[in-house]
Amino acid sequence: AQTVTQSQPEMSVQEAETVTLSCTYDTSESDYYLFWYKQPPSRQMILVIRQEAYKQQNATENRFSVNFQKAAKSFSLKISDSQLGDAAMYFCAYRSVPGAQKLVFGQGTRLTINP
Amino acid sequence: DTAVSQTPKYLVTQMGNDKSIKCEQNLGHDTMYWYKQDSKKFLKIMFSYNNKELIINETVPNRFSPKSPDKAHLNLHINSLELGDSAVYFCASSQAGTANQPQHFGDGTRLSIL
Repeated sequence: AQTVTQSQPEMSVQEAETVTLSCTYDTSESDYYLFWYKQPPSRQMILVIRQEAYKQQNATENRFSVNFQKAAKSFSLKISDSQLGDAAMYFCAYRSVPGAQKLVFGQGTRLTINP
Repeated sequence: DTAVSQTPKYLVTQMGNDKSIKCEQNLGHDTMYWYKQDSKKFLKIMFSYNNKELIINETVPNRFSPKSPDKAHLNLHINSLELGDSAVYFCASSQAGTANQPQHFGDGTRLSIL
């Protein structure tokens, strides 16, 4: 079974600075997808960024980028120019390509932005 | 134009009661899911249906019974509610065969057991 680990329960960063959230996973599959979801206090689950395991190029979405290290099974999220609206819980998630395609989530990291 | 909608958003009830949460999606997806988020914010899959057929049942107590009348709806009925059932329950949907596409989540239902 796949597992996802986020070792940082809480992180904080000054507004406009850069922060990196860590995620590692364990799988025996060679093809899969990885996601970062954001959950603000409103409780919505919002997709931040996705990465396909067979692509070596790291995904980027505006101020958000990932460092995907397949051999190390690591998938960190970098947030540049942090904004107050980035404050939220961030969840790393794994999804198999074949099969039922459920999401396996990490424990989450609570990100605080200091003004 | 809500994509995945859950009702109710909040549910407060007594131990031992039976309650249902409804979920509907208008995205044309064929797969729907229920996730449970506990008090420590941990999210875990409970069930998944594909075209009204149960495909995932993750060792959930049989007091929980999902029902999918059609592929756009997935309801969750809970019998004999216990204190440990207090959580936020999320419905989600996706299209089978498109693992690169994100699952779309509802806004969650916060269930509180008194």
